[in-house]
Order: sequence, then C-alpha cells, then structure tokens
Amino acid sequence: GENVEQHPSTLSVQEGDSAVIKCTYSDSASNYFPWYKQELGKRPQLIIDIRSNVGEKKDQRIAVTLNKTAKHFSLHITETQPEDSAVYFCAAPDDRTGTASKLTFGTGTRLQVTL
Amino acid sequence: DTGVSQDPRHKITKRGQNVTFRCDPISEHNRLYWYRQTLGQGPEFLTYFQNEAQLEKSRLLSDRFSAERPKGSFSTLEIQRTEQGDSAMYLCASSYSGGGETQYFGPGTRLLVL
Repeated sequence: GENVEQHPSTLSVQEGDSAVIKCTYSDSASNYFPWYKQELGKRPQLIIDIRSNVGEKKDQRIAVTLNKTAKHFSLHITETQPEDSAVYFCAAPDDRTGTASKLTFGTGTRLQVTL
Repeated sequence: DTGVSQDPRHKITKRGQNVTFRCDPISEHNRLYWYRQTLGQGPEFLTYFQNEAQLEKSRLLSDRFSAERPKGSFSTLEIQRTEQGDSAMYLCASSYSGGGETQYFGPGTRLLVL
C-alpha cells in the first residue's frame, strides 16, 4: 500500500512569512494529492489538491507543487496570517484499489503563525 | 445543509459496551468512507462503500467493528465490546466517483472508552 511521509512535524513562522510543508509518497501509480487543514477540534477541510497531469496549482496564497519523478509534493503558503495556524495533512490514494479511493495521510504538520 | 453530518458528536462509554455511530453524506455522493484519528496523527482508513456495497476494509477493522450502508445513503459504524484502545475520533467522509474523488469530511464522533 501507499506510504506517505510528511515534514516538518512542527513549523513556526512570523506573520507575513512563507511556510513550506513537504510530503513524499511511495506508490508511483498515485495520481491525486490533496491537502487538508484541521483546526483544533474541527473536521479536516480540503484546502487544495493536485492531479498528476499538472506540476503546480495555485489558489490565492496557497500553492501545491508536484514532482512525479521524485515522488514528492509540497504545500506553499505565502503571506501567512494568524488564521493559517492549524495542523496540515497531506494525503495520497492507494491506487492499487483501482478506484483512487482510500487515502493514506501523512502524520501532519502543526503550523503556528506568530505576530 | 449540504455538508457531511455525524451523530453523536461525543460518546463516553464503559469498556465492554457496544456503540453505534451514524454518518449522513452529502446527498449526491455515492462513496462513503470511515476513518479513525487518534491524537497527533492523521486519519487512518477503516472502510469504504460505493452505494450500498462495502468495497474494502482495513486490517485495523477487527471483527468487533462492523459498518453498513443499507440503502446507499447514510451509514452506521458499530463497535462491539469496546476497549480502551478504541478511544479516538471517528471521521466519516463522502465523495462522488464521477467528481474527481475529492473527499469531504464530517465533524467526527469523539469516542472515549472508560
């Protein structure tokens, strides 16, 4: 099955700085890579995703890059704000099911944006 | 409400008791997933349904766990003879197979086994 590794486990940045979170995956057949944000006591919320036919995707201050050759993808948050403080999870599907359904999650990155 | 809902939001039970959780997916979604999340970890896959068919079960899902989706709409997850190690957040998610597999999560049911 898929194995996803995520780094760093904690990240502290000053407001306005950029934050980068990196993930690697093991299954070269994986073709869909979502990022979820989870605030304390709340549900994971999808913030951005990327499919293997593109190398980069942006949505305002958030971007995701994908390197299929190296099997890694990264989340970039620019101009960080205090409300960006949360735990961020990357994920990849176990495409051996043939349906790209089961997601394997990374262990999470706790991002703290300080004033 | 167009989001995934779960009930109850919190459950405290004594070891050995049975518990049942319910998940209502987004109405047009044909896939429904159950995950378990422990403190400081990412969600771990338990099982998923496409319509009423249960297509995969994780080895994490011991024979004390059973899930159903009888009419292809809501789903229930039952844990029999609960153990303290079952304490966790149980998350439900749903997706539409023709819509790019994006999974949307419910608020979860937090289970505490005493």
